[in-house]
Amino acid sequence: AQTVTQSQPEMSVQEAETVTLSCTYDTSENNYYLFWYKQPPSRQMILVIRQEAYKQQNATENRFSVNFQKAAKSFSLKISDSQLGDTAMYFCALPTGNQFYFGTGTSLTVIP
Amino acid sequence: NAGVTQTPKFRILKIGQSMTLQCTQDMNHNYMYWYRQDPGMGLKLIYYSVGAGITDKGEVPNGYNVSRSTTEDFPLRLELAAPSQTSVYFCASTPQSYNEQFFGPGTRLTVL
Repeated sequence: AQTVTQSQPEMSVQEAETVTLSCTYDTSENNYYLFWYKQPPSRQMILVIRQEAYKQQNATENRFSVNFQKAAKSFSLKISDSQLGDTAMYFCALPTGNQFYFGTGTSLTVIP
Repeated sequence: NAGVTQTPKFRILKIGQSMTLQCTQDMNHNYMYWYRQDPGMGLKLIYYSVGAGITDKGEVPNGYNVSRSTTEDFPLRLELAAPSQTSVYFCASTPQSYNEQFFGPGTRLTVL
């Protein structure tokens, strides 16, 4: 069975600092994708970054990067130079078969 | 290009009433999904469809029905609304099962 676990329900970070959100998952597949989604107070789900499991290089998108450890089934999100607009819920997601499995989310607050 | 649109944005129902949440996408995506998000929680899959005429149950299908007569539309029907169905409902679509999912803005439903 596929599972996605986010063990940090809430986190906070000072503006301009760096924060890392954790995600672990379980899958029996060898090739797969992983995603981080952001949900700001507007509720809109926004893709932050994606990682393809067969690529060893960690994905980066501007201030967002991942630390993908395939053997450990770990997929953490690092946000550098945190901005007030980064305040949101962050969900880790694992698509498997025809479905997407989401973690329970981490609520991130950026403190001015 | 509107992406994924949902109507209505907000709705209040009385216990026992029925309604249909509308979802339309203009990206010609084969896969469409309905999720519910309870306060402070992650997304739970209600139903999904891999193409016109094909639907399947997700994690929490009880109390809901769907149909997929066209590629563009994937309505969600609530029969005999109950307070437990108070939630935010998201529709999403993707061209392939392992791709990014594109989300609608959500419908906030309250059952009193």
